[in-house]
Amino acid sequence: NAGVTQTPKFQVLKTGQSMTLQCAQDMNHNSMYWYRQDPGMGLRLIYYSASEGTTDKGEVPNGYNVSRLNKREFSLRLESAAPSQTSVYFCASSRDLRETQYFGPGTRLLVL
Amino acid sequence: EDQVTQSPEALRLQEGESSSLNCSYTVSGLRGLFWYRQDPGKGPEFLFTLYSAGEEKEKERLKATLTKKESFLHITAPKPEDSATYLCAGLDSSYKLIFGSGTRLLVRP
Repeated sequence: NAGVTQTPKFQVLKTGQSMTLQCAQDMNHNSMYWYRQDPGMGLRLIYYSASEGTTDKGEVPNGYNVSRLNKREFSLRLESAAPSQTSVYFCASSRDLRETQYFGPGTRLLVL
Repeated sequence: EDQVTQSPEALRLQEGESSSLNCSYTVSGLRGLFWYRQDPGKGPEFLFTLYSAGEEKEKERLKATLTKKESFLHITAPKPEDSATYLCAGLDSSYKLIFGSGTRLLVRP
């Protein structure tokens, strides 16, 4: 059981470039989430998917898009990266919205 | 506005020196209070969920408690391997987790 996996582990982008962060879970969870973590701040929710086929905005959705590809996979896309998007991105999953969220190892993104 | 505040920001303890971490929350319709541990360069690892005031949960040297306004994470006789950042989060009425900024704990041998 790998739990929640994320790729890549680390990425450097130039301003304006695009990229997709991948997340997969093998716990048969219905709900999946994307967060960002910045120094001195708590984790902030970007987007979430309550169940396969649905996605909703979180606290900080601007500049991001998501796709719930199937029950296992939830991707986060940056269409035109900006330095303000330099952060550590975490994917999480839970059985449903009320249950405990389990986190992946994170993707460290640097936008120059 | 929903908010979770953790104190202190950083805490240094000697091995064996017990202490408590505080998490105060103003989360409307709180549906659960979660504690996570985060090691450097890794994702948060789940520790506890508390659902109602007066509830307590324990795991090894850690005990979490909940009141109507705050939660405490008590660490008894800590060891160096307990060094980490401890995160507190409240699940709000729309089932979104509101995180505090964490307490960095360093336990010296």
